[in-house]
Amino acid sequence: ETGVTQSPTHLIKTRGQQVTLRCSSQSGHNTVSWYQQALGQGPQFIFQYYREEENGRGNFPPRFSGLQFPNYSSELNVNALELDDSALYLCASSPGTGEAWGYTFGSGTRLTVV
Amino acid sequence: QKEVEQDPGPLSVPEGAIVSLNCTYSNSAFQYFMWYRQYSRKGPELLMYTYSSGNKEDGRFTAQVDKSSKYISLFIRDSQPSDSATYLCAIRGANDYKLSFGAGTTVTVRA
Repeated sequence: ETGVTQSPTHLIKTRGQQVTLRCSSQSGHNTVSWYQQALGQGPQFIFQYYREEENGRGNFPPRFSGLQFPNYSSELNVNALELDDSALYLCASSPGTGEAWGYTFGSGTRLTVV
Repeated sequence: QKEVEQDPGPLSVPEGAIVSLNCTYSNSAFQYFMWYRQYSRKGPELLMYTYSSGNKEDGRFTAQVDKSSKYISLFIRDSQPSDSATYLCAIRGANDYKLSFGAGTTVTVRA
């Protein structure tokens, strides 16, 4: 059984550019959540996808968008990058939306915006 | 006011000491309480979870929840250098779809 894999591991982008981050969920998990973790802070919820639809969203602007595919993998897209978007982006998969502690996190993508 | 408050430390203890970590939360609707451990350059991994007030033990780890005070704790007994990591508390409501995390406490256990 594989865990959650994220790609790329590191990324440097210029302010104003667009970025796509990818996540493969753990086998058997149909729900994917994305979190942003700024340096020295706890992860902040961005949104969750269940059965290819956005199931809930945190306090992030519309330039943060996502997709979930039929195989439950997911993408996080960020448009018009800002310096404050520099952070570790974490993907977490779970067996369902009701699992409070079934989340498995990937190692994250570290995004640096210059 | 943040939903979950956690002292970021850092905390440095000698090997064998008891590590005590705490979080407070503001929303009484929170019902699920978790502690995650995050090593450098890694994602968080679930360490302990509970949904009721009281204590829950797992080896050297004890999670404690006091819902009346909105206060949760994690104790690590006989701490080891391999316990050096950032510890994050996470809380969720019954009908919620997101985890609300504390800022994390960085712990160093000195050999």
